[in-house]
Amino acid sequence: QTVVTQEPSFSVSPGGTVTLTCGLSSGSVSTIHYPSWYQQTPGQAPRTLIYKTNIRSSGVPDRFSGSILGNKAALSITGAQADDESDYYCVLYMSSGIWVFGGGTKVTVL
Amino acid sequence: EVQLLESGGVLVQPGGSLRLSCVGSGFTFSNYAMSWVRQAPGKGLEWVSGISGGGAGTYYADSVKGRFTISKDDSKNTLYLQMTSLRAEDTAVYYCAKQVDTIPRPFDYWGQGTLVTVSP
Repeated sequence: QTVVTQEPSFSVSPGGTVTLTCGLSSGSVSTIHYPSWYQQTPGQAPRTLIYKTNIRSSGVPDRFSGSILGNKAALSITGAQADDESDYYCVLYMSSGIWVFGGGTKVTVL
Repeated sequence: EVQLLESGGVLVQPGGSLRLSCVGSGFTFSNYAMSWVRQAPGKGLEWVSGISGGGAGTYYADSVKGRFTISKDDSKNTLYLQMTSLRAEDTAVYYCAKQVDTIPRPFDYWGQGTLVTVSP
């Protein structure tokens, strides 16, 4: 059973930079997993930020960027703003049409 | 503008059945794979099932395999999820999500979700 790992929480100062990661319990994340990132605030549907590692979804500001860092996928938020305070989820493609989400990272801006 | 609208979520007893629907607009429905993703109360996102743009490929999470069936009607721009043998742990908001290609690829647009509650 493959587990996708994310930091449970992160805190960032307004204007600061934070990098969230998305890993695998066994093995390395690469572009073949099509890592993608979603932002969700309480009571709302997820919003797509990044897909296929580093493609920014329509309307997403360039403060959000995706990459592969070492053996993990990463989402960086630069110039953090108050409304970036959300839950962030990554998802990885496991082949044969199967996707697995990470447990999510709660980002606090303070 | 891409829009996805789910419906069908209700309170159902354990062991019961339910069919969810998701109507898409603003894109050529038959050209894109689609998925269902759920979120139990206070929990994270869980991918449930997906279907290729042509409808020939269907995929399921182990947690629902054999109980849920995904399908689509391109003439109605509608995605379905037939849910049977429902359990308390199936209680969740169910989102439909459009994928970026006709084959399984990441999700780009999401609906607002429909709540399924499984309880006596």
